Amino acid sequence: KNEVEQSPQNLTAQEGEFITINCSYSVGISALHWLQQHPGGGIVSLFMLSSGKKKHGRLIATINIQEKHSSLHITASHPRDSAVYICAVPTAGGSYIPTFGRGTSLIVHP
Amino acid sequence: DTGVSQDPRHKITKRGQNVTFRCDPISEHNRLYWYRQTLGQGPEFLTYFQNEAQLEKSRLLSDRFSAERPKGSFSTLEIQRTEQGDSAMYLCASSLKTGQSTDTQYFGPGTRLTVL
Repeated sequence: KNEVEQSPQNLTAQEGEFITINCSYSVGISALHWLQQHPGGGIVSLFMLSSGKKKHGRLIATINIQEKHSSLHITASHPRDSAVYICAVPTAGGSYIPTFGRGTSLIVHP
Repeated sequence: DTGVSQDPRHKITKRGQNVTFRCDPISEHNRLYWYRQTLGQGPEFLTYFQNEAQLEKSRLLSDRFSAERPKGSFSTLEIQRTEQGDSAMYLCASSLKTGQSTDTQYFGPGTRLTVL
């Protein structure tokens, strides 16, 4: 079974700061998901990536398959970025069943 | 709004009662997933369907939990004889099979269950 570790668990930042959230996993995968969950429960898929880097607006996700590690960066953070960020990986090679990290709770103060 | 809807959004029930939740996926999506999420934790996989076939149900938490997707469209998750430990957010997600082992899932808003 894939073990997923996220760090930090909680993160507080001032508006405008650069944010980095990390995700490590134990079993090689084909792709990794980053998700955003706002208070109230709604989950939105941010990225699915299998190599390199992807960028969407102020969000950048990178993955290093060899090191089994991914990072999510937020540039010029804003209070509306306050949410829980969760990474998800397949439970095992070729599995359709995802294993989720516990999430990183981000609060951005104005 | 992701296009996945769940009903009800909140359910309060007494211990021992049965509850049923409904999920309506995005119409062309052939995969449907159910998850449970407790406070401070990431979602926990329960079961999933490809069309009407339930392909994985060993992760259902006990035999009190069951799920159906009779026509390959909407799905229901039933919990019989609810216990206080069943209190959680129950999330549904759908996706379109693309051949990749991990496809983009679209989540519903969840049903928050409180068992008194």
